Amino acid sequence: QQQVKQSPQSLIVQKGGIPIINCAYENTAFDYFPWYQQFPGKGPALLIAIRPDVSEKKEGRFTISFNKSAKQFSLHIMDSQPGDSATYFCAAKGTGSARQLTFGSGTQLTVLP
Amino acid sequence: KAGVTQTPRYLIKTRGQQVTLSCSPISGHRSVSWYQQTPGQGLQFLFEYFSETQRNKGNFPGRFSGRQFSNSRSEMNVSTLELGDSALYLCASRGQTSTDTQYFGPGTRLTVL
Repeated sequence: QQQVKQSPQSLIVQKGGIPIINCAYENTAFDYFPWYQQFPGKGPALLIAIRPDVSEKKEGRFTISFNKSAKQFSLHIMDSQPGDSATYFCAAKGTGSARQLTFGSGTQLTVLP
Repeated sequence: KAGVTQTPRYLIKTRGQQVTLSCSPISGHRSVSWYQQTPGQGLQFLFEYFSETQRNKGNFPGRFSGRQFSNSRSEMNVSTLELGDSALYLCASRGQTSTDTQYFGPGTRLTVL
């Protein structure tokens, strides 16, 4: 019940394309859903996050869509650039004493020039 | 503010040895969490410390332990190293005001031979 399932495992798009990464969760007690970007040799960096009372959030070229009833959320990257090539992780945070992040398995994104 | 720092960045040990990794959180942050990242298992939660107390623990054997000091710096220790402990160990800190957002350090790459 603590799992977060992420797809696809890898994604290749052309520059300017809109890659979409999807995540699904089961635990309805999750109350915070961040996306992290990780470059090789670096730690994950927070991109954008959303709470379940909001259906969409935009920050720059990054948009999270959230469907509470379906227990799914997704990341859209508008006008993708080669510099966006990285691994993206979705995550979900528990409540109470279980406030750790549960991560998806990651999506390796390649944006071709 | 300086980000989360971790030392050392790289470490090579042999089976049976023990290792201590260090993490300094962002100034003012009192919560420190540790995660293990491997290609096979992804990002997995190890434990969280807050004000020198372990608040939560993931599903790892007792060989993995940690502690936090009064200045919020944290260490994790792995005893009797096994080949499978080779991983990137990530530390994340969380602040007082935005208590949901975790900021990650660059990680310590541990290789067990």
